[in-house]
Amino acid sequence: SYVLTQPPSVSVAPGQAARIACGGNSIETKSVHWYQQKPGQAPVLVVYDDSDRPSGIPERFSGSNSGSTATLTISRVEAGDEADYYCQVWDGSSDHVVFGGGTKLTVL
Amino acid sequence: EVQLVESGGGLVQPGRSPRLSCTTSGFTFGDYTLNWVRQAPGEGLEWVGFIRSLAYGGTTKYAASVKGRFTISRDDSKSIAYLQLNSLKTEDTAMYYCTRDTGLLGRPDAFDVWGQGTFLTVS
Repeated sequence: SYVLTQPPSVSVAPGQAARIACGGNSIETKSVHWYQQKPGQAPVLVVYDDSDRPSGIPERFSGSNSGSTATLTISRVEAGDEADYYCQVWDGSSDHVVFGGGTKLTVL
Repeated sequence: EVQLVESGGGLVQPGRSPRLSCTTSGFTFGDYTLNWVRQAPGEGLEWVGFIRSLAYGGTTKYAASVKGRFTISRDDSKSIAYLQLNSLKTEDTAMYYCTRDTGLLGRPDAFDVWGQGTFLTVS
């Protein structure tokens, strides 16, 4: 089965850029989606199809996908960005949806 | 406004068979694939399964951890999706979310709308 690997945690100072990686075999051939989840809340889609943003999501959120790693970048990080972030793909070979294990973003 | 509201959670004993509901509004329910995602306390998101729109056969797929025990169905006339849970185990304790899938042509894609979740405790 397809596996997505994320670092458990990332820390960044306010105003700096945070980069959260999502690794998977030939992930560049898949569409990667990213979700933000704050404590006690349902996840929210922040980036879809590798690099597109839903309406209402700040331009500070961006994504890329190349080789074996997709990356969510949050520029000019704010305290309110502190949350868990999950990547997700659809694996066409198994017709299953896969989530990464999640990354906790801490704003120092 | 697009809304998904889950219900049916609560405390159930192992081996029981509750059914969760996802009541939707604000969009053409029949056009969309619906997914169920769960999250055990303190853990990450786990995809449970999906049901495609009837235009794509209403086919279902399930994670290996629930295949053969859980069943997803849909009632397009009521705009409701269901998750039937059988042979429950304590490790099925989790928040269960219903999500709308943006995928076109029956191909699953991003989940753009989530319900608030319903918590199921198996004990």
